[in-house]
Amino acid sequence: QKEVEQNSGPLSVPEGAIASLNCTYSDRGSQSFFWYRQYSGKSPELIMFIYSNGDKEDGRFTAQLNKASQYVSLLIRDSQPSDSATYLCAVKVAGRRALTFGSGTRLQVQP
Amino acid sequence: GAGVSQSPSNKVTEKGKDVELRCDPISGHTALYWYRQSLGQGLEFLIYFQGNSAPDKSGLPSDRFSAERTGGSVSTLTIQRTQQEDSAVYLCASSPMGLASAYEQYFGPGTRLTVT
Repeated sequence: QKEVEQNSGPLSVPEGAIASLNCTYSDRGSQSFFWYRQYSGKSPELIMFIYSNGDKEDGRFTAQLNKASQYVSLLIRDSQPSDSATYLCAVKVAGRRALTFGSGTRLQVQP
Repeated sequence: GAGVSQSPSNKVTEKGKDVELRCDPISGHTALYWYRQSLGQGLEFLIYFQGNSAPDKSGLPSDRFSAERTGGSVSTLTIQRTQQEDSAVYLCASSPMGLASAYEQYFGPGTRLTVT
């Protein structure tokens, strides 16, 4: 079992819809959770992070964390074609210094 | 402010040659990480530096890989006797690691290494 799992996609949504990206993790000692966006040929860009159960909103983005179920999700409201990218979920596991990354979900927003 | 910078942006080298990749972290960030990303793959952790502590080298794939960080700032990743499987994008990230930090990392633009 991978430590951080994401569906590779592609996830295709129409412009203006809500895109829902999911991530599960295996280590219950995980402390912080991150979402990165990576455009093709570019480096990952931090979108937001969350470390408390519940929702955290930033503009069109909402991160949701459920530690009991060991999943974290990212909702993108009013999706735009410019949101088309690969979204990487990353987890900070207790006792480990580096983040552990999932393989990413490719999102395609159709105009 | 200035982000993480890396050089060169692209490097083509012949198999067996040594290469050096450079990373300049965000000013004030005490933690520095090296990752690599092969085409279509996730990020693979290589090495971590935090202040004056001994680096965490647990991700280095072989003894051909080494890294140093001078003066707590700039870091150099060296790959000796390069092999074709070393071809990847090498990403550097830095993190503030303060009391209020959630260990978020900020990435540089990467160095695309091609070994022919």
